[in-house]
Amino acid sequence: GEDVEQSLFLSVREGDSSVINCTYTDSSSTYLYWYKQEPGAGLQLLTYIFSNMDMKQDQRLTVLLNKKDKHLSLRIADTQTGDSAIYFCAEKDGAGSYQLTFGKGTKLSVIP
Amino acid sequence: DTAVSQTPKYLVTQMGNDKSIKCEQNLGHDTMYWYKQDSKKFLKIMFSYNNKELIINETVPNRFSPKSPDKAHLNLHINSLELGDSAVYFCASSAPGTANTEAFFGQGTRLTVV
Repeated sequence: GEDVEQSLFLSVREGDSSVINCTYTDSSSTYLYWYKQEPGAGLQLLTYIFSNMDMKQDQRLTVLLNKKDKHLSLRIADTQTGDSAIYFCAEKDGAGSYQLTFGKGTKLSVIP
Repeated sequence: DTAVSQTPKYLVTQMGNDKSIKCEQNLGHDTMYWYKQDSKKFLKIMFSYNNKELIINETVPNRFSPKSPDKAHLNLHINSLELGDSAVYFCASSAPGTANTEAFFGQGTRLTVV
């Protein structure tokens, strides 16, 4: 079955860049997502990338996709304390698929 | 306007009880889901319904029974609750097949079984 892996923790200083990495096994993944979960809250979609793209930028967020290595990363520039949260990588294996497979989440801690 | 709403937000109950969690979406989506997030924050899909029909039923005890009275609602009923059922349960909805395939999540229901 599909598997999505992430490191569990990341700690950065305020103002630095954060890079959260994710690897997946499903070569038929069509869409890849980054969700953010703040304490006590639901999941909020941050950004997504289609598998025929290798980069997507949205303000402070940059997503890089290496389809050959099945590696996805999320870079947050100028990390702020409000970015402290758990970040989930997720993949969907096709436009008609009904299921997201999530990684275990990376807890980002921002040190003031 | 809340896109995906779940009730209750918190639920504390004793072992052996039967409880329900309700979910409603006003996005006009065809597909709704239940996910379970355990104490280690791991998210796993439990069920998926498309147009009121069950599409995905992962390895979940049959004490859990989803019910979809219409495509805007997907309720989760749990019989004979056990301590291990304590978790946060998230409802979500999406419109598969569209270019933007975002799944919208509810705020979660924190279930504590004592």
